[in-house]
Amino acid sequence: DAKTTQPPSMDCAEGRAANLPCNHSTISGNEYVYWYRQIHSQGPQYIIHGLKNNETNEMASLIITEDRKSSTLILPHATLRDTAVYYCIVSPVQGGSEKLVFGKGTKLTVNP
Amino acid sequence: NAGVTQTPKFQVLKTGQSMTLQCAQDMNHEYMSWYRQDPGMGLRLIHYSVGAGITDQGEVPNGYNVSRSTTEDFPLRLLSAAPSQTSVYFCASHRGGSRFEQFFGPGTRLTVL
Repeated sequence: DAKTTQPPSMDCAEGRAANLPCNHSTISGNEYVYWYRQIHSQGPQYIIHGLKNNETNEMASLIITEDRKSSTLILPHATLRDTAVYYCIVSPVQGGSEKLVFGKGTKLTVNP
Repeated sequence: NAGVTQTPKFQVLKTGQSMTLQCAQDMNHEYMSWYRQDPGMGLRLIHYSVGAGITDQGEVPNGYNVSRSTTEDFPLRLLSAAPSQTSVYFCASHRGGSRFEQFFGPGTRLTVL
């Protein structure tokens, strides 16, 4: 599985956009990019995923570079409740089963 | 729907004791997984199942057994607890195919003395 590199921590002001980067330079053509987050002591929560096109849902936007070697998760208007650890994961779909390998993620702190 | 439920929420064991962590989901998901999370670390996959009667090992399977007799339940057994198994355990479920959204339970916090 491809490895990902994320900054260990980031800060963001409440109401501003939070842009979380992720490098995945060894990603393969059949691997997707997933983003999850984990709010303190809770189970991880799915945010968004993509293959090569940019994606948007009610929580966030995912921007994937054309060469697919990096991506950015954007929280358009961060709130205090978005303070969490954000995980960028790349994983293939193997036989219909998604096996997600979590790294250490980025600790995002949203400040008032 | 209750989603993914886990019991117990907290557990303290002595070295050498055995126990079963329970996980259940009511979403009719084919796929279920067990992860452990150590302090300051990401999640590591222990075992997973792609359907009733089918299980496979993840990254860190040693010391743990699983079985999947029904779609709903996926218990994790610690055969002989060791202090290195002190961790938070999360169970997750999801549909396969084009669905990538895994649903996680609230976790079981296990301490082995």
